[in-house]
Order: sequence, then structure tokens, then C-alpha cells
Amino acid sequence: EAQVTQNPRYLITVTGKKLTVTCSQNMNHEYMSWYRQDPGLGLRQIYYSMNVEVTDKGDVPEGYKVSRKEKRNFPLILESPSPNQTSLYFCASSFLPTSGFAYEQYFGPGTRLTVT
Amino acid sequence: AQSVTQLGSHVSVSEGALVLLRCNYSSSVPPYLFWYVQYPNQGLQLLLKYTTGATLVKGINGFEAEFKKSETSFHLTKPSAHMSDAAEYFCAVSGPGFQKLVFGTGTRLLVSP
Repeated sequence: EAQVTQNPRYLITVTGKKLTVTCSQNMNHEYMSWYRQDPGLGLRQIYYSMNVEVTDKGDVPEGYKVSRKEKRNFPLILESPSPNQTSLYFCASSFLPTSGFAYEQYFGPGTRLTVT
Repeated sequence: AQSVTQLGSHVSVSEGALVLLRCNYSSSVPPYLFWYVQYPNQGLQLLLKYTTGATLVKGINGFEAEFKKSETSFHLTKPSAHMSDAAEYFCAVSGPGFQKLVFGTGTRLLVSP
């Protein structure tokens, strides 16, 4: 089954304790992205990757890191989490656009993070 | 730059009534427009998309949307609401040749018996 998986689904942590949220896709997609969802703000892009070893900042990258060492995986790293990073996080993936056509992005089930 | 405005953070309808969720966009390039649905405790699922061609787009679960360039709108409709349509709906825009999605703030659809 084609899917994007995220782990963990729920996480409660304390300020300053490094954490990693994993994201994996089995569709051979080049493009992967992280979003955070906050009430009243919709989804905002944190980081994205066009392929292995190619990553770039989105709209709200402060406090986050990513890496893309393998095509299928795109982990999100919070080196020193703070309470303002409490949010619902989504990973998404898709093929890269060709000939000006944009492909559908497939979303993972989400990770609800609480930082106290 | 691209942006999306969804009018109404909450929309309430009765079962069997028309559903209309509004989306207006701003884009400096020809827009690609999407509607996603999010059911409670789930990720986002694509309802429908407009890229080029026919301006009336049909999606899953009986939803459709019409791209109106003159009005910069992409409103989502369904003739008859069902209880199972209760969810949050997001309109999003991107453009030719790139994958970044810019989302609206979402509209929560409430369906009453």
C-alpha cells in the first residue's frame, strides 16, 4: 500500500530535550516536505527536499533541522524544543513536477507534539 | 507570492443541504488549486485539484469546484451534505513547475441531522 508513515504519532517532551520525528514513504517520491498545523493558521511549510542531500527552508524553519540521506526518509529534528513548537506536524511527499505539472502531495497521519 | 483566503472558519449545514466552502487565491503565476479534507485525527486527503483544462473539477465523495479566473476563486460545493462530510477542509495553491503548497487557514464543516 502506498503510504507516508510518521513516528511517533504522539509525543510529550520537555523543553530542551532533543527529539526526532521520522517520516518514510514507499512511493519513490523525490519531493518531501514537513508542515506544522496550528489552529487558525492552517498548514505552514517548515522544510522541504527535492531529492537526496537537497533540502531547503520553508516558511517557518527556525528551531528545526532536517536531513535527506535516503530517498524514502526525511526526519525532522528539534535540537532544543521549546513550548512554541507544540503543534501538529505532517510529512508529505510527491513526485517532482514535470513539464509544468504539479503532482498531488500525499500526507502522513500526523505527529502531535507537546513541549512542556 | 501566492496566498489563499478561506472565508469562514466554521460552516454549519443540515444533512441534505447544499455545501459551499469559499476559497479565493492570489497568484502571480497560473495557479494550481487543490482542496484537501482532514478527518479527525487523520492526515490530509486530496479531494480534487485544478491544474489546466476544464474549469469545473469533480472530486471524490460528490464534491466539485469551479475555477473562476476573473473572480480568483475556487469554491468547493456538494449538492447534498452527509453526516460523514463533517471535517476540516483546506484550500491550497501552488504553481506550474514547483511543488510548494500554500494553504488557507481551513474551514470546519459541521453537519447536523
